Amino acid sequence: DQQVKQNSPSLSVQEGRISILNCDYTNSMFDYFLWYKKYPAEGPTFLISISSIKDKNEDGRFTVFLNKSAKHLSLHIVPSQPGDSAVYFCAASDGGGSNYKLTFGKGTLLTVNP
Amino acid sequence: EAGVTQFPSHSVIEKGQTVTLRCDPISGHDNLYWYRRVMGKEIKFLLHFVKESKQDESGMPNNRFLAERTGGTYSTLKVQPAELEDSGVYFCASSQERLALPYEQYFGPGTRLTVT
Repeated sequence: DQQVKQNSPSLSVQEGRISILNCDYTNSMFDYFLWYKKYPAEGPTFLISISSIKDKNEDGRFTVFLNKSAKHLSLHIVPSQPGDSAVYFCAASDGGGSNYKLTFGKGTLLTVNP
Repeated sequence: EAGVTQFPSHSVIEKGQTVTLRCDPISGHDNLYWYRRVMGKEIKFLLHFVKESKQDESGMPNNRFLAERTGGTYSTLKVQPAELEDSGVYFCASSQERLALPYEQYFGPGTRLTVT
């Protein structure tokens, strides 16, 4: 039973345009959400996060939006660059007992075309 | 500062054999996590160490998997005997303090395990 879902396995956008990656979750106990970026043969690298008490967090070209009522979050990349091409994982944590184990989605392969 | 390192980067073994994966966390990081990604699926949590103690091993698939972290430094994950469904990429992550926020988990490059 997947608790974090990324329903788009892939996304292709033109350089300079906006990339929007989506993520849905089912566990209402999740209180912290993260996006990780992964290049081939490398481990996931933290990109941006958001606490459940916020609805938006911005860091440079990256913005994450959280809609708690819909149990949905999205990552916006503006403008998209070819170097952004990677697999993006949505992850969530319920922070229970200070464990902070992460629950991941399956990932979305983003391709930014020059 | 060196990142999380994992050895080997790739291991190919036959069904029934034993394999041991190693993870060296960032120096000084008390928290160490193991995750696994089976082909085409999500990255799944396996277990969490705080220093040498197992904090949570709820994600371990079965008793063929044994994780240790003697002395609270590096960790090993042994699979014995390996089965075909154990194939995947095994990631290790570490974080500095017990109450570190989730984003402070730093991941290693992973070990790709292929069981034939």
